[in-house]
Amino acid sequence: EAQVTQNPRYLITVTGKKLTVTCSQNMNHEYMSWYRQDPGLGLRQIYYSMNVEVTDKGDVPEGYKVSRKEKRNFPLILESPSPNQTSLYFCASKYTTNEKLFFGSGTQLSVL
Amino acid sequence: SQKIEQNSEALNIQEGKTATLTCNYTNYSPAYLQWYRQDPGRGPVFLLLIRENEKEKRKERLKVTFDTTLKQSLFHITASQPADSATYLCALSNSGYALNFGKGTSLLVTP
Repeated sequence: EAQVTQNPRYLITVTGKKLTVTCSQNMNHEYMSWYRQDPGLGLRQIYYSMNVEVTDKGDVPEGYKVSRKEKRNFPLILESPSPNQTSLYFCASKYTTNEKLFFGSGTQLSVL
Repeated sequence: SQKIEQNSEALNIQEGKTATLTCNYTNYSPAYLQWYRQDPGRGPVFLLLIRENEKEKRKERLKVTFDTTLKQSLFHITASQPADSATYLCALSNSGYALNFGKGTSLLVTP
């Protein structure tokens, strides 16, 4: 089944403790992206990648890192999480320009 | 600055009626516009894509229009059903890669 898989689904952590949210897609998509969604602010793009070893900042990249060493994986790294990074995070992927995005199920992160 | 605006107020309609949602944008020159559906706590799901040279597109009970002069898209659900209740997101891109989303409009269809 074609899908974007994120893990974990829920994560509670404390300020400053490094964490990684994994994202994997099995559709051979070149493009992958991370979004965060907050009430009243909608979906905001954090980082995106157009292919292996090619990443670029979205609208809200501060406090986040990403890597794209393999085509299928695009992990989101929070080196020193802070409470303002408490949010619902979505990974998404697609083939090329002008194509629909496939979203993962989301990761609800709480930073205490 | 670039903006994608959708009605922030929830839209409540009766089953069987047509729901119409609006997406307005500024400072974009999009080659296409997309609509997604999102259920609470879940990832958005793609519904329709319409290109700048298409005025209208249909898929089953869904219809999307795209007016690049008005910088507006309208999304219609005909013969609405309670199962259509969800948040609907408009999305577009200048580059064709990074896709930006509106905040969405919540639709509630009551029996």
